[in-house]
Amino acid sequence: DTGVSQNPRHKITKRGQNVTFRCDPISEHNRLYWYRQTLGQGPEFLTYFQNEAQLEKSRLLSDRFSAERPKGSFSTLEIQRTEQGDSAMYLCASSSRATNEKLFFGSGTQLSVL
Amino acid sequence: AQSVTQLDSQVPVFEEAPVELRCNYSSSVSVYLFWYVQYPNQGLQLLLKYLSGSTLVESINGFEAEFNKSQTSFHLRKPSVHISDTAEYFCAVSEGFRSQGNLIFGKGTKLSVKP
Repeated sequence: DTGVSQNPRHKITKRGQNVTFRCDPISEHNRLYWYRQTLGQGPEFLTYFQNEAQLEKSRLLSDRFSAERPKGSFSTLEIQRTEQGDSAMYLCASSSRATNEKLFFGSGTQLSVL
Repeated sequence: AQSVTQLDSQVPVFEEAPVELRCNYSSSVSVYLFWYVQYPNQGLQLLLKYLSGSTLVESINGFEAEFNKSQTSFHLRKPSVHISDTAEYFCAVSEGFRSQGNLIFGKGTKLSVKP
């Protein structure tokens, strides 16, 4: 088991462009979470999937953000028309009942919007 | 609104000294409490958690935290720190009606252990 994998590690884009991040959870973890972390702050919850169903969404997740987990395995987070305020570390985590819902975090994708 | 306050952004200590990282929360409902640690260039890892039962919880590397409902606190302590404990520590809460993974984090405390 290689843990939660996130790609890319870094993404630099220009304002107005669309970006997509990928998260591969630990296999057999049915729950998957997206968080965002800005400099000097703790992570902020964005959204949560149980299998392929998106069950919770934060008010932080504006209409420009969309997340999917089509087959209940990997997940993608897309940001449309990026803004400078979107610059942050985007973290993915997964869990399962077998691990007593302990969250396993990936190393994150660092987004810089110029 | 629910919130988590970590009172110290940075805590410098010497090796083998005791340390306490403070965490207070506000919530109108029952909560689960967590401490996560982020070592340099690594992802967040769960250090310890309180869900119910004994209010004192321990980690495998000598840290402990005590849930104090009356003071709405969940301070993290270690009687003797090592250089390898240098990391950023995040306190987090999950409210009972949300999924356990929907966490509200504090801003973090950077612990630096000096020889």
